[in-house]
Amino acid sequence: AQKVTQAQTEISVVEKEDVTLDCVYETRDTTYYLFWYKQPPSGELVFLIRRNSFDEQNEISGRYSWNFQKSTSSFNFTITASQVVDSAVYFCALSEARSNFGNEKLTFGTGTRLTIIP
Amino acid sequence: DVKVTQSSRYLVKRTGEKVFLECVQDMDHENMFWYRQDPGLGLRLIYFSYDVKMKEKGDIPEGYSVSREKKERFSLILESASTNQTSMYLCASSPQRVGAKNIQYFGAGTRLSVL
Repeated sequence: AQKVTQAQTEISVVEKEDVTLDCVYETRDTTYYLFWYKQPPSGELVFLIRRNSFDEQNEISGRYSWNFQKSTSSFNFTITASQVVDSAVYFCALSEARSNFGNEKLTFGTGTRLTIIP
Repeated sequence: DVKVTQSSRYLVKRTGEKVFLECVQDMDHENMFWYRQDPGLGLRLIYFSYDVKMKEKGDIPEGYSVSREKKERFSLILESASTNQTSMYLCASSPQRVGAKNIQYFGAGTRLSVL
């Protein structure tokens, strides 16, 4: 069975600080995908990133960066120079990668509520 | 842009009522999903569908049913609403094709209160 753990329930930081959101996963699959989604107060989950299990390169997109470490089963998300607009609930998710047709279900973590204090 | 539209943002129903939550997507996606979101529990999959008239149970299907008569529309049905079904309900869709990346696109959610 797959499992995603986001141990940080809530985090508050002052604007412009850096913040890291932790994600630890469990799976027996050798190939899988990892995701991060953002849920702003409007409610709609917004896709941020997908990572293949065979690609351990870190990724940076503007102020966002992701650190994937297979050895520790972690896929952490860092926001640099945080802004008030980053305030949201962030979800980490995991899916199998057995087919190439996009049919697999997602298993979500419980989410981390991030509040950026102006 | 992918658009997933849920018919209601807020809904208040009484115990025992039959409740329909509607979801429509405009990107011709084959896959559609219904989740419920509760504090401390994250998103849990209720039902999903890979094609018209097809449905599969997710992790918590008890007390729910679904209908997919058209590709773009996926309905969640609470046959007899109960107070423990008070929750945020999220609909999602994703494409089913070679090279698809399992990325799901979400609606804004329906916050259902059962009194």
